Amino acid sequence: EVQLVESGGGLVQPGGSLRLSCAASGFTFSGSWMSWVRQTPGKGLEWVANIKKDGSEKYYVDSVKGRFTISRDNAKNSLYLQMDSLRADDTAVYYCARDGDGYVYWGQGTLVTVSS
Amino acid sequence: DIQMTQSPSTLSASVGDRVTITCRASQNIRSLLAWYQQKPGKAPKLLISGASRLESGVPSRFSGSGSGTEFTLTIGSLQPDDFATYYCQQYNHFKTFGQGTKVEIK
Repeated sequence: EVQLVESGGGLVQPGGSLRLSCAASGFTFSGSWMSWVRQTPGKGLEWVANIKKDGSEKYYVDSVKGRFTISRDNAKNSLYLQMDSLRADDTAVYYCARDGDGYVYWGQGTLVTVSS
Repeated sequence: DIQMTQSPSTLSASVGDRVTITCRASQNIRSLLAWYQQKPGKAPKLLISGASRLESGVPSRFSGSGSGTEFTLTIGSLQPDDFATYYCQQYNHFKTFGQGTKVEIK
């Protein structure tokens, strides 16, 4: 059974940092592109970033470029999202998902709240 | 950037109704379009990929069509479990979601 379990969300002040993790199991993690997707009540679903199987290519939505960094550790079957210089509009539920023709597999999501 | 526009934003319907949701892309995305169903507090569920390819386990009352810039999701006969929010997503160039269509009980 495929499982994606996010962790690391919480309350952080504007300008602060947070690191999200996603533990993967039930499939060949090293053979899969992976994504982070976020959801806010106001803006709906938004793709944030994705990363190639071996970590050699990374892509970001314009609004997080220079602030967020996606990475992975294939030995640990884990995906990460380092979020720096956080802003109020980064408040969202963050999901990790396995890339493909659409996202078949999603985690349960972790809530990030940016507020003073 | 590719923008995805769904219509309507909200749809009121009854059990047994035929329901159609439209998704328009700001540029040609070929058939690289997916449809999702989402219920409150849950992650989205993939229904259709490749514009018309039904995912395993998805009821056959769901169907998708279109290519280029115009796409539709049709629910042939609305069931009680289908009241939810539906999203389209392009994956031709990076990924972009539509703003969602909430299907509510009439």
